Amino acid sequence: AQSVTQPDIHITVSEGASLELRCNYSYGATPYLFWYVQSPGQGLQLLLKYFSGDTLVQGIKGFEAEFKRSQSSFNLRKPSVHWSDAAEYFCAVGARTNAGKSTFGDGTTLTVKP
Amino acid sequence: DTEVTQTPKHLVMGMTNKKSLKCEQHMGHRAMYWYKQKAKKPPELMFVYSYEKLSINESVPSRFSPECPNSSLLNLHLHALQPEDSALYLCASSPWDRGNTGELFFGEGSRLTVL
Repeated sequence: AQSVTQPDIHITVSEGASLELRCNYSYGATPYLFWYVQSPGQGLQLLLKYFSGDTLVQGIKGFEAEFKRSQSSFNLRKPSVHWSDAAEYFCAVGARTNAGKSTFGDGTTLTVKP
Repeated sequence: DTEVTQTPKHLVMGMTNKKSLKCEQHMGHRAMYWYKQKAKKPPELMFVYSYEKLSINESVPSRFSPECPNSSLLNLHLHALQPEDSALYLCASSPWDRGNTGELFFGEGSRLTVL
């Protein structure tokens, strides 16, 4: 069975500082990997995705993520955080054999200090 | 701007009421989903429709009844709900053009309160 772990429940960074949110997955083959962001009271928005190929993927809003097979990780990064980035971030694994069932991590809440 | 539209944004209902949540997408996606989300938790899958057929029901109580009238529309009919059903209900769609990768496009959700 696939699983996703986001080790950090809550992260606080200062505006302008760099950010890294961790995601570890468990899956028997190369997974499809996603990061979603959810602002308070809103739905989830896809930030970026990894299917295959280049292990460094670029997303919207200046985010990027790196797939490391050896570490079973897909960490999300941003060089300079803006106050509007404060939100809940979910890492997810999708799998073609799982008939439409994505597995989400428990999420990381990002707080941005002025 | 989201391309998955959900109505209503907010709904308050009593335990004896019947109401419906609606979802529409115009991206040509062939899979549509209902998720339930409690505060500070990840979304929980309820139903999946692929090519307008129900493909997954995650053992959801029968007081929730999904319907997919066509490839663009998805409804969730609600009847005799309990207060613990209060949550954010999210609709999502997925391209399914290379099998199902799990790439999801979400609506903004319908906030349901059951009194």
